[in-house]
Amino acid sequence: RKEVEQDPGPFNVPEGATVAFNCTYSNSASQSFFWYRQDCRKEPKLLMSVYSSGNEDGRFTAQLNRASQYISLLIRDSKLSDSATYLCVVISTSGTYKYIFGTGTRLKVLA
Amino acid sequence: DGGITQSPKYLFRKEGQNVTLSCEQNLNHDAMYWYRQDPGQGLRLIYYSQIVNDFQKGDIAEGYSVSREKKESFPLTVTSAQKNPTAFYLCASSMTGVGETQYFGPGTRLLVL
Repeated sequence: RKEVEQDPGPFNVPEGATVAFNCTYSNSASQSFFWYRQDCRKEPKLLMSVYSSGNEDGRFTAQLNRASQYISLLIRDSKLSDSATYLCVVISTSGTYKYIFGTGTRLKVLA
Repeated sequence: DGGITQSPKYLFRKEGQNVTLSCEQNLNHDAMYWYRQDPGQGLRLIYYSQIVNDFQKGDIAEGYSVSREKKESFPLTVTSAQKNPTAFYLCASSMTGVGETQYFGPGTRLLVL
């Protein structure tokens, strides 16, 4: 089993739709969680950190479920510019802390 | 303008050749990282350094070497021992400490001739 797993997609949604991605992780000792956005042939860029209480940034909401070991990202009112690959990142602390990247979920927002 | 720079953007390697990818940051970050990204795979850690003059192997260090002589710089050499070097190479940096965010450079795309 991979340490971090994501549905690769693609998720094809119309403009204005709400879409949600999940990311599961296997190490219950994981401490910190992030969502990054990566455009085609570009570097990943931080979208948002994920806090235990859940957090929102405009149209984006991130949630953490420690009991079931997953994080989620909800995008409301999707824009064409949201089309990208969304990577979840988990920091595990087995010995030294380590950033573990999911393979990403591809989103295409259609006009 | 603070950030991470990588050069070159594209790099071509001939058989048996060593090539060096540059990574520089002016964010005053202590930790720096090199990742490799292949299509359909997540980022895989090659090497990381948490302090000057010290670095550690990541998950796929074979065929690669690094140095960390200055805080700002963390060059990666892809040696001839790396048999499948074609990939997108990403350098990142962060403050040290649990939960610190990593920031990425624009990447170098390495192709084998």
